[in-house]
Amino acid sequence: KNEVEQSPQNLTAQEGEFITINCSYSVGISALHWLQQHPGGGIVSLFMLSSGKKKHGRLIATINIQEKHSSLHITASHPRDSAVYICAVRLNAGNNRKLIWGLGTSLAVNP
Amino acid sequence: NAGVTQTPKFRILKIGQSMTLQCTQDMNHNYMYWYRQDPGMGLKLIYYSVGAGITDKGEVPNGYNVSRSTTEDFPLRLELAAPSQTSVYFCASSASYEQYFGPGTRLTVT
Repeated sequence: KNEVEQSPQNLTAQEGEFITINCSYSVGISALHWLQQHPGGGIVSLFMLSSGKKKHGRLIATINIQEKHSSLHITASHPRDSAVYICAVRLNAGNNRKLIWGLGTSLAVNP
Repeated sequence: NAGVTQTPKFRILKIGQSMTLQCTQDMNHNYMYWYRQDPGMGLKLIYYSVGAGITDKGEVPNGYNVSRSTTEDFPLRLELAAPSQTSVYFCASSASYEQYFGPGTRLTVT
């Protein structure tokens, strides 16, 4: 079992829909990252959070440390949001420069 | 700023050949990382560096070597390429905890 699990693995939505991607982890963490990997392969950091909620444009990320769970929400989804969304966690012990990566959620938003 | 640049973008190697994947960042970041991404798998850390002259192994270092002679450059060397090294390779850098990624190098070993 991976230490970082994402669900769903694949997601198809219609333009305008509200989207939720989930990330659960089984280890103690100091922070959680959400990243976006474009169809061309490039990886961009979206959020880094250790508590509460962050918002950037149509993207919202939340984390519940007690439940070891984070969600990434996309409001008013658009075809340009089609990408793989990756959750990664930074451990709260040892060398916490290293990240443990989820396998990603592949999102397709249809017009 | 160009950010993190990687060369080449694509490469096909024959089994047993060697090559160096180049990575350069112009953000004066101390931390640099090399990852590989296999289909259907999460990113795996190969090597990382906390500053010039200092490198350390990640999860999957076998078959690779790195050096960090300057803050800007972090090349990854493949000696005796094997088909198992067919993958997409990403270089990243960070000043604190947010990592900035290069565009990737798609390597095929046949």
